[in-house]
Order: sequence, then structure tokens, then C-alpha cells
Amino acid sequence: DGGITQSPKYLFRKEGQNVTLSCEQNLNHDAMYWYRQDPGQGLRLIYYSQIVNDFQKGDIAEGYSVSREKKESFPLTVTSAQKNPTAFYLCASSGQGLETQYFGPGTRLLVL
Amino acid sequence: DAKTTQPPSMDCAEGRAANLPCNHSTISGNEYVYWYRQIHSQGPQYIIHGLKNNETNEMASLIITEDRKSSTLILPHATLRDTAVYYCIVRVAELTGGGNKLTFGTGTQLKVEL
Repeated sequence: DGGITQSPKYLFRKEGQNVTLSCEQNLNHDAMYWYRQDPGQGLRLIYYSQIVNDFQKGDIAEGYSVSREKKESFPLTVTSAQKNPTAFYLCASSGQGLETQYFGPGTRLLVL
Repeated sequence: DAKTTQPPSMDCAEGRAANLPCNHSTISGNEYVYWYRQIHSQGPQYIIHGLKNNETNEMASLIITEDRKSSTLILPHATLRDTAVYYCIVRVAELTGGGNKLTFGTGTQLKVEL
């Protein structure tokens, strides 16, 4: 089936630790996105990539990093510089330009 | 992107039509209206979008007023599985420095009951 997969579903991070969230898509989409959602809130854009080997900061990029070495993959690293990382992280992808975005199932990150 | 206003919550009886309103009074001529929904602890699901004309697909209908200042998402026969938060999003039709960013508000929590 075509779609977007995110792993793991739940992730626990210790203080001062970097963690990487996986996002893979087999929709042949050029653009990929990472959003963060806090309880009872809407989604906020962290990073996006419109093409392989290129990515741009979104509204809340501080404390996060990404890479886009392959069209299918857009991993997000939550670094120790992110002081409040506990949230629900959502990956999305879309075709070229302003095509509709489709979302993965999300990863819930908890800090121990 | 234009700001949208939605009621925080709505109830609907199963089998009845659910009509979810959205106000976007500052919408520009080059902005689309999108609807997504999010079932608890899942990723948002695309429902429908439109610019000026009413739209219908297998999930829902979108009615946009003639002045485009408001719209209504209609789920014709709501089921318990339609219980979710519904987001109305207004987005420009041209790529900007923010790429293809979607700006989500807090949406409307629709509860479908027996």
C-alpha cells in the first residue's frame, strides 16, 4: 500500500539525549514536512523539504535538525537543545507545488 | 494565511448530517479553503478543498458562500467513526517563503452519538 510510515509510535528520551524520528513515504512525493502538536493545540511546522538535499526551517525549528538524502526519507532529530520536546510529531508529504499534504500516523515523544 | 474561526465543539446524532461551519472573513481571492480531520492520537486526514465553487467527494461536501467569507463542511450521514477534530484551513494558492505550509488552528471537536 502507498503511504507514509513513521516509527516508532512511542519514543522515550532521557534528559540531554538526542533522538531521531523516522519518516518514510512511498508516494513518490517531492515535498516532505515535520509538524509538532501539543495537547489541545493545532500543528506547528518544524522543517520542510521541497526536494532532495534541500530543506528549510519552519516556524519552530530551534532544537531540531533534519536531513533529506533520499526522496523517500526525511528523518527528524530532536536535539538536547530542544528544552520542551514532549509532543506528538507528525510527518507529511505532498507532490510538487501546492498539492495536498498527506500525513503519517505520528510519533509520540516523551521525556523521562 | 487568513485566520479561521470555528466553534470549539459540536454534537451530532448518528445517521444525521453534520454541518461544520468555518468563518474566514479576511480570505483573499487567491486562497483555498481546506478541511482536514484528526481522530484522537492519529495523523490528520485530508477531507476536501475548494476555491470558489462547492465541492463534493466520497467523504463530504464543501459549501463556500458567494462572498467566500465562510464555508460549511457537510458529512451527509455521520457515523460514530466520524468523531474527530475537524480543521478548517485557508491557504494561499502560490508557493511562498513558507513553502506549502498548512496553518492549523484548534478546530472543532465533533462528537457523533447514538
